[in-house]
Amino acid sequence: AQKVTQAQTEISVVEKEDVTLDCVYETRDTTYYLFWYKQPPSGELVFLIRRNSFDEQNEISGRYSWNFQKSTSSFNFTITASQVVDSAVYFCALSERETSGSRLTFGEGTQLTVNP
Amino acid sequence: EPEVTQTPSHQVTQMGQEVILRCVPISNHLYFYWYRQILGQKVEFLVSFYNNEISEKSEIFDDQFSVERPDGSNFTLKIRSTKLEDSAMYFCASTVGAFSNQPQHFGDGTRLSIL
Repeated sequence: AQKVTQAQTEISVVEKEDVTLDCVYETRDTTYYLFWYKQPPSGELVFLIRRNSFDEQNEISGRYSWNFQKSTSSFNFTITASQVVDSAVYFCALSERETSGSRLTFGEGTQLTVNP
Repeated sequence: EPEVTQTPSHQVTQMGQEVILRCVPISNHLYFYWYRQILGQKVEFLVSFYNNEISEKSEIFDDQFSVERPDGSNFTLKIRSTKLEDSAMYFCASTVGAFSNQPQHFGDGTRLSIL
């Protein structure tokens, strides 16, 4: 069965620091998709990034970047030059290709606090 | 940008009462989902829905729960006889296609409080 683990429960940084959020996943599927979602204090879930299992190219999008490594089943997410508005809970999620309905399995979340 | 809308934003209900949570998915989306998040915990999948029937459901989605698409725009989650442990944030999501790489767009959620 699929599983997502976010070992970091809480991270606190000072504004302008870089911060990396860790995510480790388990799946038996050969085709799967990984996501990061942000949940600010207002409570909504905001889609950030997506990566599929056959594309390990790491990318940068603005202040966000991610490091996908199939060999270690990790999908880490980095915020460069963090800002106070980045304070939120960040969820890593997994979706498996063979699973009908495409359910998302979420990790426990990492509470990021960016202090001024 | 089109978005998923959920009503109400907060629902307070007495234990044992029926509650209906409403969602309007993005108009060209075909797959619909309900998730719940108990306060301080992770987001958990409840059910997915496509072509007017349930595609998949989790063990949480027992006989007390049902989903319906009563018309061309609304997607509802009904809890028949609420329990205290049903208190949670309920999120509706939708996606355009059948493939898992499509991001699910979430509504702002309905906070359900059972007294």
